[in-house]
Amino acid sequence: SQQGEEDPQALSIQEGENATMNCSYKTSINNLQWYRQNSGRGLVHLILIRSNEREKHSGRLRVTLDTSKKSSSLLITASRAADTASYFCATEDDGAGNMLTFGGGTRLMVKP
Amino acid sequence: DAGITQSPRHKVTETGTPVTLRCHQTENHRYMYWYRQDPGHGLRLIHYSYGVKDTDKGEVSDGYSVSRSKTEDFLLTLESATSSQTSVYFCAIRPRTGPKETQYFGPGTRLLVL
Repeated sequence: SQQGEEDPQALSIQEGENATMNCSYKTSINNLQWYRQNSGRGLVHLILIRSNEREKHSGRLRVTLDTSKKSSSLLITASRAADTASYFCATEDDGAGNMLTFGGGTRLMVKP
Repeated sequence: DAGITQSPRHKVTETGTPVTLRCHQTENHRYMYWYRQDPGHGLRLIHYSYGVKDTDKGEVSDGYSVSRSKTEDFLLTLESATSSQTSVYFCAIRPRTGPKETQYFGPGTRLLVL
């Protein structure tokens, strides 16, 4: 079963706009991670946020975590055509160390 | 890419045949994982390994077996391939250093079972 559910499933924006993707999960977690996948490639780790953190930044990425609502959001600011990819959230569930559970992903298209 | 390679990269096989996929890493990582990726399902864990000869089942392990006889290789075997096992298979490792909760992925193997 999927732990994370991303919303929206697909998102199309213009270059320069911000992109926001959301992830909801069901159980207690140790951390939540976001990954990017370019077409036909493996996943690449973007950012990790721990259960005791509420917000984290990395370059143009901003991740928030609300454990009371069991949800996270990924914001990509000033998007570029090169950001076109699928984005997945993954949770390391409390008590399930060393394993990640992935959501179904959001397909982002950034139009030049 | 954390020195992860997968072979073969593409394979077409027939229903009922055994298939073995190989994941090879060169950096002595202890944890290795096999996932499958299907449209609408994200990645689902098949099996993982936490050391030589130490393996455990994931969410979708039925029809699959694994072996890890040496640190660098983690093999995934489809004992008798079925059309439902048509998928893209990814190997991943958990790094020995740095953020240990993260995973690094190989390039994937596209498997078509006819």
